[in-house]
Amino acid sequence: DADVTQTPRNRITKTGKRIMLECSQTKGHDRMYWYRQDPGLGLRLIYYSFDVKDINKGEISDGYSVSRQAQAKFSLSLESAIPNQTALYFCATSDPRTGKRTQYFGPGTRLLVL
Amino acid sequence: QQQVKQSPQSLIVQKGGISIINCAYENTAFDYFPWYQQFPGKGPALLIAIRPDVSEKKEGRFTISFNKSAKQFSLHIMDSQPGDSATYFCAARGPFRGGADGLTFGKGTHLIIQP
Repeated sequence: DADVTQTPRNRITKTGKRIMLECSQTKGHDRMYWYRQDPGLGLRLIYYSFDVKDINKGEISDGYSVSRQAQAKFSLSLESAIPNQTALYFCATSDPRTGKRTQYFGPGTRLLVL
Repeated sequence: QQQVKQSPQSLIVQKGGISIINCAYENTAFDYFPWYQQFPGKGPALLIAIRPDVSEKKEGRFTISFNKSAKQFSLHIMDSQPGDSATYFCAARGPFRGGADGLTFGKGTHLIIQP
């Protein structure tokens, strides 16, 4: 969905490096999420944010941090990357004010940690 | 309590056949059950969703059947087409620890429709 963009789309980094994945949305949604997708494991929630001042840990937050710079921007950081953080990362948004519970996903960032 | 179990892991169906993917959940607090479709290189996209007070929802060739007492729900794709080949995820929305609003996903089903 072009309304939710992620950068970079692909990233290779080395163990111990700090990296940041960025997400931007033009949907005007307050709620934003970061998920991680691993083969055979589905998608798992890392962090979520209901608005700029509200950030919460999800199911697998250890080793990650986030920053909600504005309503439209939500960044995920790996403080010290390790190989088992190699995965596909998705940002998503939602807006409960619409009465719908749909989450809209970005195209994903493929991360390889060597 | 947060788990959503999805089966099968992979499925091959002939064109025109019926594809059936099943999911089971444990947490009775879940209150919304969507199915997402994901094509290679793309993010998941909502396909169809159901609330637990409804036993069936149909949208075109896609139907969700929901059995609240058994805590199971399934996706049926009628007249399956090669363009339906994708990975399908069931999901459930409900309270995480800390009151989260995210989805709990099944592990996915890789569906291949053979021409």
